[in-house]
Amino acid sequence: EIVMTQSPATLSVSPGERATLSCRASQSVSSNLAWYQQKPGQAPRLLIYGASTRATGIPARFSGSGSGTEFTLTISSLQSEDFAVYYCQQYNDWPPEITFGQGTRLEIK
Amino acid sequence: EVQLVESGGGLVQPGGSLRLSCAASGFTFSTYWMHWVRQAPGKGLVWVSHIHSDGSSTNYADSVKGRFTISRDNAKNTLYLQMNSLRAEDTAVYYCANLPYAWGRGTLVTVSS
Repeated sequence: EIVMTQSPATLSVSPGERATLSCRASQSVSSNLAWYQQKPGQAPRLLIYGASTRATGIPARFSGSGSGTEFTLTISSLQSEDFAVYYCQQYNDWPPEITFGQGTRLEIK
Repeated sequence: EVQLVESGGGLVQPGGSLRLSCAASGFTFSTYWMHWVRQAPGKGLVWVSHIHSDGSSTNYADSVKGRFTISRDNAKNTLYLQMNSLRAEDTAVYYCANLPYAWGRGTLVTVSS
């Protein structure tokens, strides 16, 4: 099983500042990595797939980078609506399993 | 517009059974692998199971293997999850998903006496 590890568990950032979230895979997943945003009581929302491709309707302040085992989600200038939990997910180990990171909670500083 | 709508959740006693359904629309359902993902209260996302586009191949997380069965009816654009021998630790919101692109709103399953 590929284990996905996100860091930090909680990130405190002020509105308007930049946030950088990390995700590490226990073995290479190539670029088969997605990022999701989840707010309380809502389903996850796809932000990034293919490690760096923004999903439809996602603002340009969200960007993804990385390949292999190290990935980063960057939010360039935090808006109030961006404070949420973020998950990474690999879909490279295909077809046996899909795995998620444990999540990073982005909170207002 | 892509839509995934889950149903069938509810309260069930330990050892009981439940069948979840997911109605899909807005995309060619029969050409995609489909997944179930769950989220226990206050916890993270956990992949549960997936099924090939034609139903020929399935896979399960170890925690549900032998108890849950995923299936699909491409003529009805519907995905299913049959859950047997339910345990308290199966309590969660269950999401139907066309990973990574689309998710349903989820249906809550509570296993409690």
